[in-house]
Amino acid sequence: ETGVTQSPTHLIKTRGQQVTLRCSSQSGHNTVSWYQQALGQGPQFIFQYYREEENGRGNFPPRFSGLQFPNYSSELNVNALELDDSALYLCASRPTGGGSYNEQFFGPGTRLTVL
Amino acid sequence: KQEVTQIPAALSVPEGENLVLNCSFTDSAIYNLQWFRQDPGKGLTSLLLIQSSQREQTSGRLNASLDKSSGRSTLYIAASQPGDSATYLCAVYHLSGTYKYIFGTGTRLKVLA
Repeated sequence: ETGVTQSPTHLIKTRGQQVTLRCSSQSGHNTVSWYQQALGQGPQFIFQYYREEENGRGNFPPRFSGLQFPNYSSELNVNALELDDSALYLCASRPTGGGSYNEQFFGPGTRLTVL
Repeated sequence: KQEVTQIPAALSVPEGENLVLNCSFTDSAIYNLQWFRQDPGKGLTSLLLIQSSQREQTSGRLNASLDKSSGRSTLYIAASQPGDSATYLCAVYHLSGTYKYIFGTGTRLKVLA
């Protein structure tokens, strides 16, 4: 059973640019969530995808968008980058059904720096 | 609005001590609570998951308890080791418009050799 992987590991962008972060879910998991973790803070929920549909969203503007693919890999896209978008971006996957009885498993994260 | 608080924010102890990390949440209508470990600049490693119907879970030197009615969970680490040094985060699975995990800000633990 493979774990959750994310790419790239690190990324540097400038204000106003767009970025795409990628996540490959753990085998057998069809629910993926994305989180933003600022330095010294706990992760903040961005959104969740289940069977390629967004089924939950946190308090993030529409310039944060996502996709989930049939193979359960997913993307997080951020448009018009701002300095405050600098953070560690984490994806987490849960098993089929994504019910409350299932643990979340996190990837290693992508460190985004916006200059 | 669900809020999760972790106390203390930072903790430094000598090797071998038993220690308790605290997590409190404001809304008891949770589905589960999960404890994680995070090493600097890394992702989260799941330690223990407690369902809302459970009172505690144990894994090795770790024991987590849950008291939903009082909105509290504790993570007990027995015989601490320098390798336990990390940030410990708790998260509650909660319905607030949508189902999502809400995290505390973590406890930074340093175990001194």
